[in-house]
Amino acid sequence: DIQMTQSPSSLSASVGDRVTITCRASQGISNYLAWYQQKPGKVPKLLIYAASTLQSGVPSRFSGSGSGTDFTLTISSLQPEDVATYYCQKYNSAPFTFGPGTKVDIK
Amino acid sequence: EVQLVESGGGLVQPGGSLRLSCAASGFTFSSYSMNWVRQAPGKGLEWVSYISSSSSTIYYADSVKGRFTISRDNAKNSLYLQMNSLRDEDTAVYYCASGGGSLWGWGQGTLVTVSS
Repeated sequence: DIQMTQSPSSLSASVGDRVTITCRASQGISNYLAWYQQKPGKVPKLLIYAASTLQSGVPSRFSGSGSGTDFTLTISSLQPEDVATYYCQKYNSAPFTFGPGTKVDIK
Repeated sequence: EVQLVESGGGLVQPGGSLRLSCAASGFTFSSYSMNWVRQAPGKGLEWVSYISSSSSTIYYADSVKGRFTISRDNAKNSLYLQMNSLRDEDTAVYYCASGGGSLWGWGQGTLVTVSS
């Protein structure tokens, strides 16, 4: 099975900072990658699908890129409401594995 | 508005069984694939199972294969997860989630606790 890794596992940044999270697949998955945001105590929410397509209603400060094995989620200007854990997920074929998550908080 | 409401969670002894349900509304349930995803306390998300819109394609994570069974009733707009031979490590919040690839709708989750 394809394994998903994320780095860093956690980060602390200031409001307004540019934040980048990396997700790596152990084998190529084309662009079959989604990003989710889970705020503390809340339900996960889809941010990006097909590696770079923003889900409706998601602020434009979120963006995704990549294809094959290496992907990034970027928050162009970190806001207090972005404090959350972010997960990538592959969906090219089963199992639809999630990455271990990246916890983002405010410095 | 997409609404997914899970039910059926609770406390069960190791080796026991439980059936989770998910009631869907706000979208054409019969047209979409569905999934179960779980999250152990303080841990990350784990995909559990997938079922296509017509139930013709079903997948399971290795961790639950042979013990869990996913099903759906399109006439009732409902998704199910039959969980047998439960283990301590199955303790988690179980979410139903809509989507055939990326998961665009999520329920609030139902807590399953496996403990003696």
